[in-house]
Amino acid sequence: AQKITQTQPGMFVQEKEAVTLDCTYDTSDPSYGLFWYKQPSSGEMIFLIYQGSYDQQNATEGRYSLNFQKARKSANLVISASQLGDSAMYFCAMRELPPNNAGNMLTFGGGTRLMVKP
Amino acid sequence: NAGVMQNPRHLVRRRGQEARLRCSPMKGHSHVYWYRQLPEEGLKFMVYLQKENIIDESGMPKERFSAEFPKEGPSILRIQQVVRGDSAAYFCASLGDSSNTEAFFGQGTRLTVV
Repeated sequence: AQKITQTQPGMFVQEKEAVTLDCTYDTSDPSYGLFWYKQPSSGEMIFLIYQGSYDQQNATEGRYSLNFQKARKSANLVISASQLGDSAMYFCAMRELPPNNAGNMLTFGGGTRLMVKP
Repeated sequence: NAGVMQNPRHLVRRRGQEARLRCSPMKGHSHVYWYRQLPEEGLKFMVYLQKENIIDESGMPKERFSAEFPKEGPSILRIQQVVRGDSAAYFCASLGDSSNTEAFFGQGTRLTVV
């Protein structure tokens, strides 16, 4: 069974500083994908970044990077140079990837509310 | 992602009425997932469908809720005899067949039961 844990219900960060949002996961499947989403106050779910369990390097997308530590089963999101527009809920999610590529559901953590201070 | 279309964006229903939520996945995607989000909570999986098949409905309540993804047309999440506890945001996500990395959501339907 999959399980995703986000231990920080809320976090503050000063504008222009970096912030790390924690995510740990539990799965017995060796093949899986890890996702981060941003949900601003308007409510939509915005895909940020993806990390595959077999990827050799940590994923990066602009100011977002994923600190993937497979042995620790953690996939923390790092946002560099925070901006006021980064204030939102952030969700970590995981999906097991069976060999036939049929796919399974995304399982979400409870989310972290990030507030960027000017 | 604008490619996953959900409608309506907002839906108000009186207790006892039916709610129909529609989701058109991104072009070329045949995997559709429905999630429910209660206020101040994360997304909870409801059902996973492929064209004409329900693959996993383990997250869907046994009564009043049903989902379909016909050969032609959008996926439909149907809630019969709605109650106030059904008030939530319902999100649809679609994934492609050839890539595991694309998991895009629609903008959601906010259902309010009065």
